[in-house]
Amino acid sequence: GQNIDQPTEMTATEGAIVQINCTYQTSGFNGLFWYQQHAGEAPTFLSYNVLDGLEEKGRFSSFLSRSKGYSYLLLKELQMKDSASYLCAVNNNAGNMLTFGGGTRLMVKP
Amino acid sequence: SAVISQKPSRDICQRGTSLTIQCQVDSQVTMMFWYRQQPGQSLTLIATANQGSEATYESGFVIDKFPISRPNLTFSTLTVSNMSPEDSSIYLCSVGTSGSGVQFFGPGTRLTVL
Repeated sequence: GQNIDQPTEMTATEGAIVQINCTYQTSGFNGLFWYQQHAGEAPTFLSYNVLDGLEEKGRFSSFLSRSKGYSYLLLKELQMKDSASYLCAVNNNAGNMLTFGGGTRLMVKP
Repeated sequence: SAVISQKPSRDICQRGTSLTIQCQVDSQVTMMFWYRQQPGQSLTLIATANQGSEATYESGFVIDKFPISRPNLTFSTLTVSNMSPEDSSIYLCSVGTSGSGVQFFGPGTRLTVL
């Protein structure tokens, strides 16, 4: 079966750094994805990791450890507009389908 | 990334009726998927829409309830049949890319069943 876990909610302060963790247990692995979803909108793609290590994209970075079944999304210099849900998803290589975690709702406060 | 549109963007329907949701992509794509996102929840895959053959449904979803068409490489429809209030949800289509498998999502259809 597939199991992807993320914290349900997090709160952070504007300008700070926040790390959102994701652990997974899947029958196969062909990449881990992070999406951002603002309330009432569709998910938008943020990052993709298939090899171990850190991928950096501006204020957002994502890390993967395949041996530990673990990833995190790091958001730096938080802005109010970063308040959103962050979804971790795994491609288990079965027809390129994605299995999503429950999402982490991040609230950025002034 | 492809530009994806969905129609309708939202609808309010009566119990027992059916609604067909359309997903249009501005370029040919091999993989198209349909997801459901219930209020406050994450995304659940309903099915993979296969061009020229029957859709592949995930556990808990059946063709009689969620018939899907995929007549060509730019278009798909999802029908929610014999609706009940439990079907109130956001329905999203997505397109997959080869290689990385990144998926890009349409804007979604917000369905309310009374």
